[in-house]
Amino acid sequence: TQLLEQSPQFLSIQEGENLTVYCNSSSVFSSLQWYRQEPGEGPVLLVTVVTGGEVKKLKRLTFQFGDARKDSSLHITAAQPGDTGLYLCAGAKDNRLAFGKGNQVVVIP
Amino acid sequence: DVKVTQSSRYLVKRTGEKVFLECVQDMDHENMFWYRQDPGLGLRLIYFSYDVKMKEKGDIPEGYSVSREKKERFSLILESASTNQTSMYLCASVSPGDQPQHFGDGTRLSIL
Repeated sequence: TQLLEQSPQFLSIQEGENLTVYCNSSSVFSSLQWYRQEPGEGPVLLVTVVTGGEVKKLKRLTFQFGDARKDSSLHITAAQPGDTGLYLCAGAKDNRLAFGKGNQVVVIP
Repeated sequence: DVKVTQSSRYLVKRTGEKVFLECVQDMDHENMFWYRQDPGLGLRLIYFSYDVKMKEKGDIPEGYSVSREKKERFSLILESASTNQTSMYLCASVSPGDQPQHFGDGTRLSIL
């Protein structure tokens, strides 16, 4: 059973468009982390959200943690080709991380 | 910056061989993890360790073992490699608590 469901699995958009991807779970997590992974590399942390309802911004990326701390969204404004990658959400619980399968984002120049 | 180094980026082995994947971190992290990543399945936890000589099974430990003789090094062992163990293997380390994990660049292992 997948603890974290990410949707959509694959998204292809034109440069300059906006996009939102989602990470949903039935479990409550003490924190939720978003990573980006590029081909041939390991995941790299983008942000950690801890408080229900929290919103964090990282340049053109906006991360939101749901009020009940079970779900999260990532919104990218004016996507650039450099935003292409696999976005992974991970819920922290008991000193372990449970990962979703990822949102594969492709931004076409 | 935390550095997690995996010994090989690419590795090709034969069915039945004993395979060792090595991971070293330079930030004195207590916790270390081994995952495998497969298309459509995401990252799945194989084993993890909270301290030297300690190990815990993850979600898919069958066919694998681990060794943590020194704090900075965590080894993944495929006792008798099989073709279904062809995968991308990722090592990660972290300090205790819900901190972000630091990943190596992965080892792409092919079992022929």
